[in-house]
Amino acid sequence: QKEVEQDPGPLSVPEGAIVSLNCTYSNSAFQYFMWYRQYSRKGPELLMYTYSSGNKEDGRFTAQVDKSSKYISLFIRDSQPSDSATYLCATSRNTGGFKTIFGAGTRLFVKA
Amino acid sequence: NAGVMQNPRHLVRRRGQEARLRCSPVKGHSHVYWYRQLPEEGLKFMVYLQKENIIDESGMPKERFSAEFPKEGPSILRIQQVVRGDSAAYFCASSPRDSISGNTIYFGEGSWLTVV
Repeated sequence: QKEVEQDPGPLSVPEGAIVSLNCTYSNSAFQYFMWYRQYSRKGPELLMYTYSSGNKEDGRFTAQVDKSSKYISLFIRDSQPSDSATYLCATSRNTGGFKTIFGAGTRLFVKA
Repeated sequence: NAGVMQNPRHLVRRRGQEARLRCSPVKGHSHVYWYRQLPEEGLKFMVYLQKENIIDESGMPKERFSAEFPKEGPSILRIQQVVRGDSAAYFCASSPRDSISGNTIYFGEGSWLTVV
């Protein structure tokens, strides 16, 4: 079993739609949860991070963590064509000294 | 832009040659990570280094791969006697010593290795 599972998609939505991206993880020791966005032939760019369970909002993006079910979500409101990219969820056990584990990434296409 | 700098961005090597990939972390960052991304696959952790120390190399293949982060200069990922299966994007990332934002890491633009 992979430590972080993520549906690779692709996911295609019309402009303006609400997008829901999800991951599950297996290790209850993970405490930090991140979402990265990666455009084609570019490096991953940190979008959001959360610690433990709960929600975090930043503009059109909301990250949600449910540690009881080991479920991570990213919601994108009012999606734009510029949101078309691969979204990677990631998790880590603790700050400093521990490697970050990534999901395989979900490819998102937002059609104008 | 004082982000993570990687070079070369693109590298072509023949089978059996050596590949050297360089990474300069964000200024002030003392932790460096190398990841490999194969086509249609996620980022796979390879190695985590601090200055002059390898902290975790559990993702590094046992043979032909090595990494260093010297006291002065960039981190180097070295692949000896490359094979076609080494063709991938290699990403370097860095994080500060005392991150207040969890173990968030910041990536470079990657080095694309093609073995012919």
